[in-house]
Amino acid sequence: SQTIHQWPATLVQPVGSPLSLECTVEGTSNPNLYWYRQAAGRGLQLLFYSVGIGQISSEVPQNLSASRPQDRQFILSSKKLLLSDSGFYLCAWSVDSQETQYFGPGTRLLVL
Amino acid sequence: AQSVSQHNHHVILSEAASLELGCNYSYGGTVNLFWYVQYPGQHLQLLLKYFSGDPLVKGIKGFEAEFIKSKFSFNLRKPSVQWSDTAEYFCAVKGGYSTLTFGKGTMLLVSP
Repeated sequence: SQTIHQWPATLVQPVGSPLSLECTVEGTSNPNLYWYRQAAGRGLQLLFYSVGIGQISSEVPQNLSASRPQDRQFILSSKKLLLSDSGFYLCAWSVDSQETQYFGPGTRLLVL
Repeated sequence: AQSVSQHNHHVILSEAASLELGCNYSYGGTVNLFWYVQYPGQHLQLLLKYFSGDPLVKGIKGFEAEFIKSKFSFNLRKPSVQWSDTAEYFCAVKGGYSTLTFGKGTMLLVSP
């Protein structure tokens, strides 16, 4: 069966520091991968999605970037964190763009 | 562009009460519709989905939802809630080849 992992689970970083959040999927090949940010009372905001290695689509221009160096690995990065980057980041995968998305456990990021 | 509106941010019910959470979407064409649930401390997980066919969809844990095309609605129902249904519920819509759009969520608190 398919599983999705995210790490770290929790991260506290100072303003201006870099960021790297990792997401990996097991048990499937060539998945679509997604990064969301979840804020209380605001639902889930899609940040990036990828349909294949090296293919990244950005939904919201901001301080973050994403990369997909391997088929089942999706990384969310920042060169310099802002206070406003604090939040709960969720990774998700789907078989293709038409199918159900399945979510990872999330990473809670606090920028101080 | 598609959008999703969930009518209630917070709902408080007693055990055995009936539940109906409203969800309306805006999109002019064919849609896929989803309800996701996030129990305290757990992953966001799929509750039920509608792609086509019978507009009354049954999901896990006794939940169901009805797609009413004329009303652009996909309300979630359960005849008798339990304390374990306490969670945050998200409606989501996917129109055509667009990405998934989530509502802002409804926090359900069931008192024993």
